[in-house]
Amino acid sequence: AQSVAQPEDQVNVAEGNPLTVKCTYSVSGNPYLFWYVQYPNRGLQFLLKYITGDNLVKGSYGFEAEFNKSQTSFHLKKPSALVSDSALYFCAVRRPQGGKLIFGQGTELSVKP
Amino acid sequence: EPEVTQTPSHQVTQMGQEVILRCVPISNHLYFYWYRQILGQKVEFLVSFYNNEISEKSEIFDDQFSVERPDGSNFTLKIRSTKLEDSAMYFCASSDGGRGQPQHFGDGTRLSIL
Repeated sequence: AQSVAQPEDQVNVAEGNPLTVKCTYSVSGNPYLFWYVQYPNRGLQFLLKYITGDNLVKGSYGFEAEFNKSQTSFHLKKPSALVSDSALYFCAVRRPQGGKLIFGQGTELSVKP
Repeated sequence: EPEVTQTPSHQVTQMGQEVILRCVPISNHLYFYWYRQILGQKVEFLVSFYNNEISEKSEIFDDQFSVERPDGSNFTLKIRSTKLEDSAMYFCASSDGGRGQPQHFGDGTRLSIL
């Protein structure tokens, strides 16, 4: 069965420090990988994706993610966290031929001044 | 930037009543989706829709659910006889179907069944 795991329910970071939000997946083949962010009372906002190519992909708001095929991971990173980055982050996968997104359970990121 | 819009933002309905959730996908998108998020749980896929028919549906999407694209702009989710466990946030999404293109989500409709 296909699944996505985000092992941390919550990540706490001080402003200015680097942040990492972890994601691992169990999907056959070479899935497409996505990160979304959800602010309170809003929908999911696309941050970045990995399709193929360089293992480090860059996205919106200074976020980047590192794809590791051997570890089946796609961790979200940012070199210097901002208080405004505080939100709920979701990792998701999709088969290359299209269709549904399979989401992880979400990680709440809290950045304190 | 084009957005997916959903109405209403909050719907309160008595158990057993029918409810219709409405979505206006991004105008040049061809693929449409409904997801739901029960409070405190992960976002779950319900159904995908392409070329005026359902292309995939989950086990959640039983006979109580239906989707429709009644005109060139709206995409609706109908729940025929709501149950308490249908209370959730329902998200509509759309994509243009291009290789690797992300799905774009609306802000959701919070459905509360009393």
